[in-house]
Amino acid sequence: GEDVEQSLFLSVREGDSSVINCTYTDSSSTYLYWYKQEPGAGLQLLTYIFSNMDMKQDQRLTVLLNKKDKHLSLRIADTQTGDSAIYFCAGFNDYKLSFGAGTTVTVRA
Amino acid sequence: DADVTQTPRNRITKTGKRIMLECSQTKGHDRMYWYRQDPGLGLRLIYYSFDVKDINKGEISDGYSVSRQAQAKFSLSLESAIPNQTALYFCATRPRDLGYGYTFGSGTRLTVV
Repeated sequence: GEDVEQSLFLSVREGDSSVINCTYTDSSSTYLYWYKQEPGAGLQLLTYIFSNMDMKQDQRLTVLLNKKDKHLSLRIADTQTGDSAIYFCAGFNDYKLSFGAGTTVTVRA
Repeated sequence: DADVTQTPRNRITKTGKRIMLECSQTKGHDRMYWYRQDPGLGLRLIYYSFDVKDINKGEISDGYSVSRQAQAKFSLSLESAIPNQTALYFCATRPRDLGYGYTFGSGTRLTVV
């Protein structure tokens, strides 16, 4: 099955860019997603990238996919206090979505 | 109203008790899932269902059972709860088009004492 790994913590200053990294093992993953979880809430889909794409941009979010290295990243431009949350990367393969452990992003003033 | 509704939101139960977590959705999706979240482990798949008659075990199904009562309802049961089932449980649905991703409920925080 798919193994998805991501660093557990990231601290960033308000206004700076955040970069959250993720690696996955299964090269046949077709869709790769980024979800955001705020305290006490469920997971909210932020963005996704299809496996035949290298980059996707959506307002402040930029997703980069390096298929050779099986590396996925999420860049958040101009990070705000409302961006403090846990961010999960997830890969879809066959029948299921496999998640990383989540990166807790803390935005400091 | 939320697209995916889970009840209860919080529950404390005793070891050995049977408990049911309920999920209902208004998305009209065929596919429904139950995940559990543990700190530092992400979300792990317990059971999934592609339609009312198609139910499948996920990676951590031991100690759990499910029932798909209707297209919109998917319940998770713990037949005899144990403390290591203390976790945050999420129900999710998705359409056939993966570009829309999964839609998650707000979760049920279950504590087994």
